[in-house]
Amino acid sequence: GAVVSQHPSWVICKSGTSVKIECRSLDFQATTMFWYRQFPKQSLMLMATSNEGSKATYEQGVEKDKFLINHASLTLSTLTVTSAHPEDSSFYICSVAWQTGYTFGSGTRLTVV
Amino acid sequence: QQQVKQSPQSLIVQKGGISIINCAYENTAFDYFPWYQQFPGKGPALLIAIRPDVSEKKEGRFTISFNKSAKQFSLHIMDSQPGDSATYFCAASTISGTYKYIFGTGTRLKVLA
Repeated sequence: GAVVSQHPSWVICKSGTSVKIECRSLDFQATTMFWYRQFPKQSLMLMATSNEGSKATYEQGVEKDKFLINHASLTLSTLTVTSAHPEDSSFYICSVAWQTGYTFGSGTRLTVV
Repeated sequence: QQQVKQSPQSLIVQKGGISIINCAYENTAFDYFPWYQQFPGKGPALLIAIRPDVSEKKEGRFTISFNKSAKQFSLHIMDSQPGDSATYFCAASTISGTYKYIFGTGTRLKVLA
């Protein structure tokens, strides 16, 4: 199946700074990647659909200026949390749509202090 | 109509017992129903999936039962083991569409040794 690598696995940043999370499809060319956010003990909430070579599609209520998504190649999508605040602390997970469904990355634990 | 309702929220099973998790959906356009297993601090991993043209699918100790008329599907874990302790998510999607998944709220399973 598709192998998805997500980096970093965890990051701590100061309030007001920006953090970039990378999602790589290692063995599959992904025209579409998805970014999810998960709060503790809760389900996965789709934030946006990342489309290679075009603008991301954001879900209702997700601030596109705060969560910048770039999908510059068929194997890499990045999520940048800009001007992070403590309420942005969460578990962020990317996924790739593959022939048998989604393959998820291992997730990134973001803590904003 | 886009919701997927999952129950129970948590489940405790003795080792060797059967774990049963249920999901219900409303949108009849859904045609792909996967189950994911997630361990703490990790991304979800695909366990098993079913399409509505079959009523049951079995892979090892994991079985999906699907009732199209009732718009319900369930995951059965036979001979449950402590290593199965994790959070399980059902999901629904239209496989021929954008692969956008709608996830259930999750079930935290604990298997007692």
